[in-house]
This record gives sequence, structure tokens and C-alpha cells, in this order.
Amino acid sequence: QSALTQPPSVSGSPGQSVTISCTGTSSDVGSYNRVSWYRQAPGAAPKLIIYEVTSRPSGVPDRLFGSKSGNTASLTISGLQAEDEADYYCCSYTISNTYVFGTGTKVTVL
Amino acid sequence: DVQLVESGGSLVQPGWSLRLSCVASESTFRTYWMHWVRQVPGKGLEWVSRISVDGRSLFYVDSVRGRFTISRDNAKNTLYLEMRSLMHEDTADYHCVGTSVPYGMDVWGRGTTVTVSS
Repeated sequence: QSALTQPPSVSGSPGQSVTISCTGTSSDVGSYNRVSWYRQAPGAAPKLIIYEVTSRPSGVPDRLFGSKSGNTASLTISGLQAEDEADYYCCSYTISNTYVFGTGTKVTVL
Repeated sequence: DVQLVESGGSLVQPGWSLRLSCVASESTFRTYWMHWVRQVPGKGLEWVSRISVDGRSLFYVDSVRGRFTISRDNAKNTLYLEMRSLMHEDTADYHCVGTSVPYGMDVWGRGTTVTVSS
């Protein structure tokens, strides 16, 4: 149950788009469309922003977009805003009926 | 919205036991699969365990299987995590998390801190 691989950091200027990758294996990301994404601001609990690869909970703006291809899922944030600066984690259901999180990515708005 | 409040975190020595509790503010708790997720301060998230709505299906990450036991009391809107043979590596903030959407953890508690140190 190794953690999913994410880039440690990504950055962009306000208004630009950034994409965070999340690479797993055929035992997790590649097996199901059961990838979720979480945003965590400093000192706060994580917040669900994407579930089942592409679905957004109520209140999450549509400039946050999830996708998946093979063993890699991605989160794209378009129209980058200062409020998007946070840590982002992916998470996948696995063939063992467990879950595994990604290593986490810090998004910086330049 | 349902709120989750964890308690029971403490400073303990290696090999000791501890029980965490998580109380939900609403009875909708009874419809949620529930999880425990831990995080070492400044580090990433680690999924620990989950339990079905009826409490019969239990799942664990390999590193805690056989040492930790998840359970729930729907009559009390409470989730538990019984931790035994604690190790330094179990030191973390433990979050109680509920699932009201498919395969997404959308209700999070603020966490309770477990420190294992001699």
C-alpha cells in the first residue's frame, strides 16, 4: 500500500491553470473510477473537492476539474486565485477494499 | 451539516493502549461509512481504517491491522478506534471522517493528537 505519487509542488500566476498529477497502479487508480481530491489549508482539516474522478460536491466551483487516464489521475485548477493556495491530496480506493492517499502537492499562487 | 468531534488523544509510551472516540452531532451519522485518517503534523495524510454503516465490515491499512480495532455505536452516534501495542510511528493527529458521497470523505473532524514517546 504505497502512497500515490504527486509532485511536491506546482505554481502559477493568478488566472493561469495548473494541473496536479496523481500516479498509482493497476491495483488502485487504474482499477476503479474512485479517485477523490482534497484541499487542506494551513491548520485546517482537509476538504473534499472531487470524488469519483470528476464529481464535485455542492459549493465547489467548476474551475476545479478532475480526470483520469490509466493509472494516473489529475486535478486541474483553472483561473487560479489566491484562495487556491493550499496543499492538495489525491486518494484512491484499492482492490483490497482499502484507501490510499497521495504524497500531497503544495500549490503556490505567484 | 453534521459535525464530528474527536477525543481521547494523549501522550503514551510505546506498547501502551489508547481508545479514540468521535461523536457526531446528528443521527445522519448512522447512514455514513466512517473512517479514521491520520496525519503527522507537517506531513501527508494516511488512511487508517473504515467501518460500514452496520459496523460489520471493517478494513485496515496493513501497518495497523491486528493492533487497531474500529467500531461504532449508532445509538450514541459515536465512532471508536481502539489502539494497542502503540509504536512511535503511530504518532499523529487522528481525524474521524464520514462519507455521505460515493467514495469521497466529505465530513471531517478537526482531529485528536496521539503522541507515542518514551
